[in-house]
Amino acid sequence: EPEVTQTPSHQVTQMGQEVILRCVPISNHLYFYWYRQILGQKVEFLVSFYNNEISEKSEIFDDQFSVERPDGSNFTLKIRSTKLEDSAMYFCASSGPMNTEAFFGQGTRLTVV
Amino acid sequence: GIQVEQSPPDLILQEGANSTLRCNFSDSVNNLQWFHQNPWGQLINLFYIPSGTKQNGRLSATTVATERYSLLYISSSQTTDSGVYFCAVFSNFNKFYFGSGTKLNVKP
Repeated sequence: EPEVTQTPSHQVTQMGQEVILRCVPISNHLYFYWYRQILGQKVEFLVSFYNNEISEKSEIFDDQFSVERPDGSNFTLKIRSTKLEDSAMYFCASSGPMNTEAFFGQGTRLTVV
Repeated sequence: GIQVEQSPPDLILQEGANSTLRCNFSDSVNNLQWFHQNPWGQLINLFYIPSGTKQNGRLSATTVATERYSLLYISSSQTTDSGVYFCAVFSNFNKFYFGSGTKLNVKP
């Protein structure tokens, strides 16, 4: 069964450092998303991406965040200068045509120290 | 945005018991999915169910879109069913709205 793959599974970084979280969505999917979940809390929307551009972003997704689909297969989330409060599980998701089933990756646990 | 409320927030069951989890949402939606978050934090797709009823083994789900709720039934629960169950709805606004989850603990 096709799946969304995220790497790394766990990353520890020092405050102020840049991190790039990587995702390989399902190959024929068109819509891509990043979500995050701070430990014990709700899953929060960060950004959606379609046709090589951001279609919507939340207030969390400030100038420190960026997304890219550099080569038509990978989908990356970059955090330029990490803060302690960026520590969370980050999920990538993809879906086919709008409103069809979305599939989530296994997550990247980011720890900022 | 759409409000998604799940109940109960916490549930403790004895192995073998049945349970019903509820998800209410505040507006019309085009998609609804149920997920199980396992102890490692992974979100596992359970059902894609914008309307109607589906069954998968001991689990089944029903969504009544006109009344804005969905139910997840777990029968003959097992300890491996433990974890957090999330409902997420998708509107026309390019994102899922997640509920706060139901934390299920199945005791042997």
